[in-house]
Amino acid sequence: NAGVTQTPKFQVLKTGQSMTLQCAQDMNHEYMSWYRQDPGMGLRLIHYSVGAGITDQGEVPNGYNVSRSTTEDFPLRLLSAAPSQTSVYFCASSLAPNYEQYFGPGTRLTVT
Amino acid sequence: AQSVTQLDSHVSVSEGTPVLLRCNYSSSYSPSLFWYVQHPNKGLQLLLKYTSAATLVKGINGFEAEFKKSETSFHLTKPSAHMSDAAEYFCVVSDTGNQFYFGTGTSLTVIP
Repeated sequence: NAGVTQTPKFQVLKTGQSMTLQCAQDMNHEYMSWYRQDPGMGLRLIHYSVGAGITDQGEVPNGYNVSRSTTEDFPLRLLSAAPSQTSVYFCASSLAPNYEQYFGPGTRLTVT
Repeated sequence: AQSVTQLDSHVSVSEGTPVLLRCNYSSSYSPSLFWYVQHPNKGLQLLLKYTSAATLVKGINGFEAEFKKSETSFHLTKPSAHMSDAAEYFCVVSDTGNQFYFGTGTSLTVIP
């Protein structure tokens, strides 16, 4: 099992550009989520999904879109990048809410 | 509403001495509580979790935590620190909903 994989590992964007952060898991987990990690703020939930076709907003959803067309994949889209979105992004999955989450290695995004 | 407070942003201990990382939570429901560890430039790994079974929870690498409902605390302890324990530690709470709330983290330094 590869677990939770994320691509790319690093990305630099200019303000206004769009991109998609990829996340995939091979553990047949229903629950997937995206977090951003900023210094001194811990991890904050952006969006989550409890199964294919179902997504919902977390604590900091503005500026991000998600979709869940398959159980395995949960991409995060930045429609118009802003410097405030400079952060490390983590994808996670678990069997169900309240279960242990398995985290990907992260994507370090810089927006200039 | 839920929240997590990690009472110390930095903790330094000497190798071989006990570790105490403090966490207080607030939750409207019976919470699930977790401790995760993040080593430098790595993803997050589950140390232990409390899900309404035994109040003293044992985790990996000699860590344990005690759930105290009356004090709304879930402090993480280890009897003897090892150099490899140097990392960032996150306390996490989740209720019967679908969201996880992270504390802001405690950076543990182990002095040789």
